[in-house]
Amino acid sequence: AAGVIQSPRHLIKEKRETATLKCYPIPRHDTVYWYQQGPGQDPQFLISFYEKMQSDKGSIPDRFSAQQFSDYHSELNMSSLELGDSALYFCASSLYEYGGAMDNEQFFGPGTRLTVL
Amino acid sequence: AQTVTQSQPEMSVQEAETVTLSCTYDTSENNYYLFWYKQPPSRQMILVIRQEAYKQQNATENRFSVNFQKAAKSFSLKISDSQLGDTAMYFCAFMKPWYNAGNMLTFGGGTRLMVKP
Repeated sequence: AAGVIQSPRHLIKEKRETATLKCYPIPRHDTVYWYQQGPGQDPQFLISFYEKMQSDKGSIPDRFSAQQFSDYHSELNMSSLELGDSALYFCASSLYEYGGAMDNEQFFGPGTRLTVL
Repeated sequence: AQTVTQSQPEMSVQEAETVTLSCTYDTSENNYYLFWYKQPPSRQMILVIRQEAYKQQNATENRFSVNFQKAAKSFSLKISDSQLGDTAMYFCAFMKPWYNAGNMLTFGGGTRLMVKP
């Protein structure tokens, strides 16, 4: 079965540079989520999109922006990178069905490991 | 806002024995979902088991079962017949009711489980 695809898998950037992370959801899934997991920490929700509209927003810095495109893939843009942005960034996808609780399960991608030097 | 607490940072168990991981949460919602995710050394997030708050029956998935105590806001995970492959970080997670698309997962701090041969 197809899974969530994230690219790149690893990314190394210098401070103050920009980075773009991409997420390709499972086919037919209409909702995308972004999470940040720092070293030794639990995943923290950043932002989610449903049908290309922002759905929920967490602790996403103003330096970060994201969007979901017409083909449902999503991109997380990170500018003015800081050392503290070094983390594993997960994308997850789900299929939204009103009343279909089981179908709202979030399927996680393998993550993009971002290292800021 | 919801909070999820895992009070056991690390646990160990002998192979073939049973172990219970604890999780408590705080919410004002009456309807919600609870999950246990496994994160092995590969860092992939894998759903282990889920529980709907409106269901009184505890969820079971093969060797994994939960003890859901809604009034006490407690959601523990029991792993029976522990296997070496169960060695991983385990995260308890909370999700708001399903009628909103893009609902975030709120994770606990995690419990690192080591299964010893």
